[in-house]
Amino acid sequence: AQSVTQLDSHVSVSEGTPVLLRCNYSSSYSPSLFWYVQHPNKGLQLLLKYTSAATLVKGINGFEAEFKKSETSFHLTKPSAHMSDAAEYFCVVRGGSGNTGKLIFGQGTTLQVKP
Amino acid sequence: KAGVTQTPRYLIKTRGQQVTLSCSPISGHRSVSWYQQTPGQGLQFLFEYFSETQRNKGNFPGRFSGRQFSNSRSEMNVSTLELGDSALYLCASSLDSSVKRETQYFGPGTRLLVL
Repeated sequence: AQSVTQLDSHVSVSEGTPVLLRCNYSSSYSPSLFWYVQHPNKGLQLLLKYTSAATLVKGINGFEAEFKKSETSFHLTKPSAHMSDAAEYFCVVRGGSGNTGKLIFGQGTTLQVKP
Repeated sequence: KAGVTQTPRYLIKTRGQQVTLSCSPISGHRSVSWYQQTPGQGLQFLFEYFSETQRNKGNFPGRFSGRQFSNSRSEMNVSTLELGDSALYLCASSLDSSVKRETQYFGPGTRLLVL
């Protein structure tokens, strides 16, 4: 069965410093992995997705994630945090093979950005 | 293109009542999925529809039901509401969610409060 584990429930950084949000996945085959962001009282917005074309995936707003099969990880990074990055971040894996688009969400990481 | 729309945005009901939530997907999208988001359980999959057929169902009681219409709009219904049904209900649309790594676009959600 597919699953994701977000290793930190809360991350606090200062504006202008790097961001690292950690995610480990479990999958019996090549996974479909995504990172979504949720700002307060808003829906979910896709940051990036792993397509197997490249292990380093670039997303919107300067975010990147690196797919590491040997470590079963898909950590999200950003070189320099901005105040507007404060939000909830979800690592997501598509559940199951075959005819389903069910998404399985991690528990989320709250990113706090201090001025 | 207009995004995913959900109506109503906010709803207050009392225990025992029933509620119907609506989701209009992005034009041309044929897949609609529903998720429940609560502070305790996080984001959990409810159902998935494609071309008016339920393709997958999450682990929720039978009080939760849904359907999809020929124009791809979807509704979900919760009967005999319980306090624990208070949540943010999110709808996601895609061209065909069964396609691996297909992006699913989320609406802003309907926040349901059961008193």
